[in-house]
Amino acid sequence: GQQLNQSPQSMFIQEGEDVSMNCTSSSIFNTWLWYKQDPGEGPVLLIALYKAGELTSNGRLTAQFGITRKDSFLNISASIPSDVGIYFCAGPLNNAGNMLTFGGGTRLMVKP
Amino acid sequence: KAGVTQTPRYLIKTRGQQVTLSCSPISGHRSVSWYQQTPGQGLQFLFEYFSETQRNKGNFPGRFSGRQFSNSRSEMNVSTLELGDSALYLCASRRIGPYEQYFGPGTRLTVT
Repeated sequence: GQQLNQSPQSMFIQEGEDVSMNCTSSSIFNTWLWYKQDPGEGPVLLIALYKAGELTSNGRLTAQFGITRKDSFLNISASIPSDVGIYFCAGPLNNAGNMLTFGGGTRLMVKP
Repeated sequence: KAGVTQTPRYLIKTRGQQVTLSCSPISGHRSVSWYQQTPGQGLQFLFEYFSETQRNKGNFPGRFSGRQFSNSRSEMNVSTLELGDSALYLCASRRIGPYEQYFGPGTRLTVT
């Protein structure tokens, strides 16, 4: 079963608005990954975080590795219609990093 | 650099049949992981291969199996298909070291 809890489950926002979503776990993770999935496609890696407190940006996206190592946040600034999709957080279940567990996803809808 | 490729993209099978899905990783990536994605269970880890060896397996029955070839290409096989096996099967590859996994577009399997 999933060990990562994402919220909100879905968001319907106006184009141009900023978006925030988060991912929490009862266990400590040493890596957080954020993916975006479009309908009928595989997840695309957006941002990887490796250090507690780390703040990393990728264009209009910014993600943070929580200092407790049990949470992570993803922000999207000035949303545009192509931001529509499902955003997943993921973390490794083992030290080898070859097994990822995923959150349930946040479905983002943007109204032009 | 070409991304992860999966074939076929869509497949319809009948209950009781078996199926083989194929995955070609990004050039230079030697680790290949497989995931099952369903609306009810989300993204779940199936197994991972490195250097033609299965290193980890998720909580799936023995009907799910896989293999990896010397060129790092991988196949997964599902025998005696059940209706509940209908899902998007995703393959991901990674270099050894970083935890970042890169996904293919998936194979949509429908079991009737």
